[in-house]
Amino acid sequence: SAVISQKPSRDICQRGTSLTIQCQVDSQVTMMFWYRQQPGQSLTLIATANQGSEATYESGFVIDKFPISRPNLTFSTLTVSNMSPEDSSIYLCSVAGVVGELFFGEGSRLTVL
Amino acid sequence: AQSVTQLGSHVSVSEGALVLLRCNYSSSVPPYLFWYVQYPNQGLQLLLKYTSAATLVKGINGFEAEFKKSETSFHLTKPSAHMRDAAEYFCAVSDGSSASKIIFGSGTRLSIRP
Repeated sequence: SAVISQKPSRDICQRGTSLTIQCQVDSQVTMMFWYRQQPGQSLTLIATANQGSEATYESGFVIDKFPISRPNLTFSTLTVSNMSPEDSSIYLCSVAGVVGELFFGEGSRLTVL
Repeated sequence: AQSVTQLGSHVSVSEGALVLLRCNYSSSVPPYLFWYVQYPNQGLQLLLKYTSAATLVKGINGFEAEFKKSETSFHLTKPSAHMRDAAEYFCAVSDGSSASKIIFGSGTRLSIRP
């Protein structure tokens, strides 16, 4: 399994601002996945980040709101732009294992005031 | 299309008692099934996975799950609950084609009574 580190682990932000979350993996991976977990809810896939190409966004998520970078095979960032209180969530970075299982980072807990 | 249903958003058991968390799935192809645990203020950790090999799957921390095709179920069990098992548990299903196709259940919060 991969070791995945996320920064920040938590943050409190003002509405209208943006926050960039970093994800570092200890091995090279083709795809990295960004999930959102709203309070008391399950996980929803935001986008799949491939190195060297544009991220693939799921229905309901757009690049202007959640721009993603993937500069190399071990690193990705997710930005939450123009934040509102509805963006208060845990944002999770993950990578796939051999049989398609997912391994997750510790998550970034975002509170928007 | 695939889906997964976790029966019971909250389960409470006494320490030392049997833990049973229920998961039913729907899949048009042979599924891959997973159980994850999320401890407070942490990310998700893979407990165990079923990938069409043995139907009884053993995982970490004494948990196991049995794949029952006839019942479309993949229930998670542990013979004796510990206080440290208190957490949120998520069942997930995949068709195995891509990790982006994993569908997560709504989660079951497990509480342990002293």
